[in-house]
This record gives sequence, structure tokens and C-alpha cells, in this order.
Amino acid sequence: AQSVAQPEDQVNVAEGNPLTVKCTYSVSGNPYLFWYVQYPNRGLQFLLKYITGDNLVKGSYGFEAEFNKSQTSFHLKKPSALVSDSALYFCAVRPRGGGADGLTFGKGTHLIIQP
Amino acid sequence: EAGVTQFPSHSVIEKGQTVTLRCDPISGHDNLYWYRRVMGKEIKFLLHFVKESKQDESGMPNNRFLAERTGGTYSTLKVQPAELEDSGVYFCASSQGTVANTGELFFGEGSRLTVL
Repeated sequence: AQSVAQPEDQVNVAEGNPLTVKCTYSVSGNPYLFWYVQYPNRGLQFLLKYITGDNLVKGSYGFEAEFNKSQTSFHLKKPSALVSDSALYFCAVRPRGGGADGLTFGKGTHLIIQP
Repeated sequence: EAGVTQFPSHSVIEKGQTVTLRCDPISGHDNLYWYRRVMGKEIKFLLHFVKESKQDESGMPNNRFLAERTGGTYSTLKVQPAELEDSGVYFCASSQGTVANTGELFFGEGSRLTVL
């Protein structure tokens, strides 16, 4: 069975500094990988995805993530954090192949950007 | 364009009662998914509809949960009878294609269920 680990419940970053939200996964083969963000009292919003090709994918709001096959990681990054980036971030995977289309999510990481 | 809408936003019921949650997907989205997040834990997949057909219901916890999508439009998720461990936030998501094809799900704001 596949699983996703987000080892940090909370990440604190000063505004303007680079940020990293970590994600590692356990799934057979090369999965599809995703990041979603949830702002307070809102639904999850899609940020970015890795399907194939370049290991560095760019997404919404200046975020990017790097697929690292050897480390089975898909860390979310941004060069310069904004206070408005403060939210709950979820990493998710879907195995490649097969008909099951459900995503497996991590527990989420609270990102707090301090002014 | 309207997003995915869910109703009610919050429901408080007693153990043993019945609750029905509703999801209206984005118009034209054939794929509809239900997920659940129990407090502080992962968001768990429940099931996937393609139009009115259940494509995958492997995540449904037990037979107290019944999901329908009559006519391939809105969907309902009924919990009967509700137990304490059913408390959580139930998310609905929709997409035009499958996750494998399009990669992006559009989520509703969720229905928070509290079972006392």
C-alpha cells in the first residue's frame, strides 16, 4: 500500500526567506505526485503536479517542487516566502497505472510565514 | 463559474442518527470523488464516481456509508447510523478527466460532521 509522509507538522519561515515543505512517499514504481494547499475555511486548491519529464515542476503562486526518485521525495519550495503563503499544505500521490484514481495524502504541514 | 459546493457546511448529530451530505460538482465534470479527514490525520479517499457509476469504492469504511450520484450530477453521502468515529470533515472533489489524465482536482470547502 502506498503512503505519504510529511515529517513536519509545522514550518516557520520569516517573510522573504526561502521555504521548504518536505514530502516523502512510499509507492511502487514512479507515481504521480501532487501538492495542494488549504487556506482557512476553504477547500483544497491544486498547486502543482509531477507526471513525467523534468524533475523540477513549477506551479501556482511561485511554488515549485522537485521529484527525487532515489530519495522518493517531492519537497515543495519557494525562493521568497510571503505572509499570504501561510496555510496548510498537503502532499499526495497516485500510483502510475491501474484504474484506482484515488489520491493518498499526507497529514499536512502548517506553513507559518512571519512578517 | 461556480466551484464545487457542499452542503451542509457543518452538521452536529447524535450517535445512531442519520446524516446526508450533498455535493454539487462543477458543471460538466464527470469525475466526482469523496474524501474524509479525521481530526489531525490524513485525508482519506472514500470513493470515485464516473458520471453515475461507482468506479472505485475501496475507501468506504463500512456498510453504514452509502454514496449515490443519480443522473451523474450531484452526489450524496449518507451515514446511517452514525458512530462517534465518523466525525471529521468530508470533502468532495470533481474533475473533467481522471487524476491520471488531468492531474487536478477541484475541491469543495468540506462538510464538517460532528457525532456526539
